Amino acid sequence: GENVEQHPSTLSVQEGDSAVIKCTYSDSASNYFPWYKQELGKGPQLIIDIRSNVGEKKDQRIAVTLNKTAKHFSLHITETQPEDSAVYFCAALDDFGNEKLTFGTGTRLTIIP
Amino acid sequence: GAGVSQSPSNKVTEKGKDVELRCDPISGHTALYWYRQSLGQGLEFLIYFQGNSAPDKSGLPSDRFSAERTGGSVSTLTIQRTQQEDSAVYLCASSLAGSTDTQYFGPGTRLTVL
Repeated sequence: GENVEQHPSTLSVQEGDSAVIKCTYSDSASNYFPWYKQELGKGPQLIIDIRSNVGEKKDQRIAVTLNKTAKHFSLHITETQPEDSAVYFCAALDDFGNEKLTFGTGTRLTIIP
Repeated sequence: GAGVSQSPSNKVTEKGKDVELRCDPISGHTALYWYRQSLGQGLEFLIYFQGNSAPDKSGLPSDRFSAERTGGSVSTLTIQRTQQEDSAVYLCASSLAGSTDTQYFGPGTRLTVL
């Protein structure tokens, strides 16, 4: 089955700086890669996703890049703000009719004012 | 509109007792998922319901775990003879049709087994 590894497990950045979180996946057939943000006491919320037919997607301060050859994808947050502090999860969905998302173990991002 | 709701928000039980966790998905969503999130860990898939199809139970960790979805809407996750290792946050999510549609998560139920 699919295996998703996520790094780093914790990340602290100064407010205004950029943050990058990286994930690798094992199943070359995977074709959908969402990123979720989880705030304390809440369920995860989708913030951006990318499909295997594109290499990059942006939404304001958030971007995701995908390298299918290397089987890794990354989340980039620019101009970080205190409200970006949360736990971020990457996930991957394979293409063999398997409807299960496999999640990474999460990155706790702390923005230092 | 209303999001995914779960009840109870917290549940403390004694080892060996049975517990039932409830999920109300977003109206009109045909897909429903249960996940388990242990402290400091990612989300572990448990079970997936899609319309009237047979559920995908491949993530259930043991036969003490079961789930049903009545009328294609509300779902109940039941854990029998709870063990301390069952302590976790149980998250429910729903999506319009399938896994490539956005999954909307509920706030979770925090289960503590003493």
